[in-house]
Amino acid sequence: LAKTTQPISMDSYEGQEVNITCSHNNIATNDYITWYQQFPSQGPRFIIQGYKTKVTNEVASLFIPADRKSSTLSLPRVSLSDTAVYYCLASGAGSYQLTFGKGTKLSVIP
Amino acid sequence: GAGVSQSPRYKVAKRGQDVALRCDPISGHVSLFWYQQALGQGPEFLTYFQNEAQLDKSGLPSDRFFAERPEGSVSTLKIQRTQQEDSAVYLCASSLNLPPSTDTQYFGPGTRLTVL
Repeated sequence: LAKTTQPISMDSYEGQEVNITCSHNNIATNDYITWYQQFPSQGPRFIIQGYKTKVTNEVASLFIPADRKSSTLSLPRVSLSDTAVYYCLASGAGSYQLTFGKGTKLSVIP
Repeated sequence: GAGVSQSPRYKVAKRGQDVALRCDPISGHVSLFWYQQALGQGPEFLTYFQNEAQLDKSGLPSDRFFAERPEGSVSTLKIQRTQQEDSAVYLCASSLNLPPSTDTQYFGPGTRLTVL
C-alpha cells in the first residue's frame, strides 16, 4: 500500500477555491487515488477517484500529473458546510483495505 | 435509498464488560468492512467479509475482538472484556461487488464506544 502525505490542516474563506495536495511517491502502477470526506460524527464519504490526468464530478476535481507521485483535490467556491477532514488514499484495484492516514482538516471561515 | 446503519450510535461500558455493535449494510452489498477510528486519527481496517465468509481479520487488535456475518447481511462486532484502549469509533462500510473492483465503500455513521 502506497503511503500518502498531506497537510494536517488548511484554512480558507468562503467562496474561495481550495486545493489540497497529496504526495504518494511510491505509488504502484495499479494504484488508484481516492479522496474521502468526513464530517464530525459521521463516517467517511467518497468524493472522487482517479488514475491519471483530470477527473471532475459535481463535487470536486482531481488532478494527477503524469508521474503520479502527487495529486491535488480541488474544491471550487467552498462554503462553511465544506468544513471537514479530507483523506487521500492510494490503493490497488484489488485492495479492499483502505489506509486513511490522518487527513487534512479543512476549516472554512465566513 | 437507505445507507449503512449502525447501532447503537453511542455505547458506554465499564472496563471488563462485553459489548456488541451492529451493522446493517446496504441491501445487496456483498462486501462488508469494519474499521476502528481513534480520536484525531483516520479509520484503521479491522476485518472484511465477503457475504458470510470472513476473509481477512488481520486488523483485529486482539482475540477479544470477534466479528460475524452469519447470513451475509447484518454483521456484529463483539468486544469481550473491554479495556480503556478500546475506546474509539467503530465504523462499518459496505460495497456492492468483490475486489478487484474499485467499488466505493459506503460508511455508516459509526458507534462511539467509551470504556470507563
